[in-house]
Amino acid sequence: NAGVTQTPKFQVLKTGQSMTLQCAQDMNHEYMSWYRQDPGMGLRLIHYSVGAGITDQGEVPNGYNVSRSTTEDFPLRLLSAAPSQTSVYFCASSSSGTHYGYTFGSGTRLTVV
Amino acid sequence: GENVEQHPSTLSVQEGDSAVIKCTYSDSASNYFPWYKQELGKGPQLIIDIRSNVGEKKDQRIAVTLNKTAKHFSLHITETQPEDSAVYFCAAPAPISSGSARQLTFGSGTQLTVLP
Repeated sequence: NAGVTQTPKFQVLKTGQSMTLQCAQDMNHEYMSWYRQDPGMGLRLIHYSVGAGITDQGEVPNGYNVSRSTTEDFPLRLLSAAPSQTSVYFCASSSSGTHYGYTFGSGTRLTVV
Repeated sequence: GENVEQHPSTLSVQEGDSAVIKCTYSDSASNYFPWYKQELGKGPQLIIDIRSNVGEKKDQRIAVTLNKTAKHFSLHITETQPEDSAVYFCAAPAPISSGSARQLTFGSGTQLTVLP
């Protein structure tokens, strides 16, 4: 049982490049979320999904897109990377029965130069 | 949206002493308050949570207390050990009015260091 798997673990991008951060869970959780973690600012919600085919914006959605074509996968796309997107990104999932019992992935550390 | 404030930002204690981290929240309708522990290089892990129908919950050396009237909740760690050193986050559900389907809003974190 792998839980929540994020790839890659580290990535360096040049300004203007695009990329996709992958997130997959094998717990059949309905809810999935993306957070970014910056020093002194805790975890801020980027986008979330309450089920396959349903996504919505969180607190800091600008510059990011998501899709949820399957229950298992919830990729995060950076459209045109900017230095302000340098951060650690975490994917989390939870079941509707225990909505708030988040399981987090191990994170992707992204640097935009 | 929900405003969750966490204090202190850093905390150093001697091994064996107790540690207390406090959080305040703004939405009186919030009914669930989890605490997460994040070790270096890893994702946050849920360590304890409390619902608004109880005032205190314990799990071995950790406990969480909730004061709904004052809208604050606290994490208590007793008999601290070096392996308790980590960043701790509190959280509360975003208000329904925020449109975020009650996703969690996190505090800014507390770096706890347990000195041997």
